Amino acid sequence: EIVLTQSPGTLSLSPGERATLSCRASQSLTSSFLAWYQQKPGQAPRLLIYGASNRATGIPDRFSGSGSGTDFTLTISRLDPEDFAVYYCQQYGTSPRTFGQGTKVEIK
Amino acid sequence: DVQLEQSGAEVKKPGESLTISCQASGDSFTTYWIAWVRQMPGKGLDWMGIIYPDDSDTRYNPSFQGQVTFSADKSINTAYLHWSSLKASDTAIYYCARTYLIHSFDFWGQGTMVTVSS
Repeated sequence: EIVLTQSPGTLSLSPGERATLSCRASQSLTSSFLAWYQQKPGQAPRLLIYGASNRATGIPDRFSGSGSGTDFTLTISRLDPEDFAVYYCQQYGTSPRTFGQGTKVEIK
Repeated sequence: DVQLEQSGAEVKKPGESLTISCQASGDSFTTYWIAWVRQMPGKGLDWMGIIYPDDSDTRYNPSFQGQVTFSADKSINTAYLHWSSLKASDTAIYYCARTYLIHSFDFWGQGTMVTVSS
């Protein structure tokens, strides 16, 4: 099973700041089959990024994904108040598909 | 776009059986897979497995194999998650989501809260 480790566990930032979230895989991911999701309290997760760097439909361009192999990054260029949430990475190229433990982005 | 509507919250006792549902609309139900994801209280996301409603092909996460059963009725665009004997540790929110065999989860249901308590 591929283990995804996200860091940091919590990121305390102010609106307008840049957020950089990391996701490290225990082994190299097949063809960058990595996704990022956002989850707000009381809501289902929402797909942000797939294929490591492709924004899902309707996702603002302040969200970007990068990386390959075992190291991946989600960047939010300028935090909007609605971006404070928990973010999960997921690999979907190898079964069982696995999620990281999440990074909480909170208001400083 | 696909809409996934899940059944309502359930409160059950240990040992009871339960089936929750996920009904799809807006796209052909037999062209994609449905994933099930568990979220225990205050915790992260756990991939349980996937089912292809067209032929009920299923792929279980080994951690959930034998603990739950997936099924689907393509005539009513509905996928199901079944427990034959619930445990307190099954208390969680369960989400269904659309996916393909090697694909992210692009549309999600609203989740079903399952509480198992004596």
